[in-house]
Amino acid sequence: GQNIDQPTEMTATEGAIVQINCTYQTSGFNGLFWYQQHAGEAPTFLSYNVLDGLEEKGRFSSFLSRSKGYSYLLLKELQMKDSASYLCAVKDSNYQLIWGAGTKLIIKP
Amino acid sequence: DVKVTQSSRYLVKRTGEKVFLECVQDMDHENMFWYRQDPGLGLRLIYFSYDVKMKEKGDIPEGYSVSREKKERFSLILESASTNQTSMYLCASSSMDRAGANVLTFGAGSRLTVL
Repeated sequence: GQNIDQPTEMTATEGAIVQINCTYQTSGFNGLFWYQQHAGEAPTFLSYNVLDGLEEKGRFSSFLSRSKGYSYLLLKELQMKDSASYLCAVKDSNYQLIWGAGTKLIIKP
Repeated sequence: DVKVTQSSRYLVKRTGEKVFLECVQDMDHENMFWYRQDPGLGLRLIYFSYDVKMKEKGDIPEGYSVSREKKERFSLILESASTNQTSMYLCASSSMDRAGANVLTFGAGSRLTVL
């Protein structure tokens, strides 16, 4: 079966750095997405990785290793507004998205 | 700046009622999707559409149907609501992306409670 694993919940301190991991087992791979979802709101796109390596976008970076079936989202200089759920999703060989259950990130002052 | 609009944020219906969830996007996107989001589970695809009048079943289509009469509008229908359809329903759209990313733009969601 196809599976995406992420930690259920993480806690970090304002101003610090946090890494949210995502491991996947899917039938084929055509890209990995990270979305951010604040409570009661729509998920919004953060990043897309299709090749191995690190993609940096301001305070957020996303890393992919296809051989290990692994990705992480790195958030630097954490702010209170970063408190949200972070969803990992993989596009499989049929170009269908398989979603993880999401990681709820709690930022403490 | 709203791009994907879902008509109802909160609905309460009774078992057996017919329920319509409407979704409209203003980005001229070809692709539209309906997902449900439940605690502890990843988003699950109910139905999707790549063109007007076209629909494809997702992973959990049972108990649902859809309609896409116009490019901008994609409706989800629960013919006879049941308590296990109590959930958050998310509509999304995407364009055909040359890079293959097909980034989804989501609506704010419709939280349905079936009593």
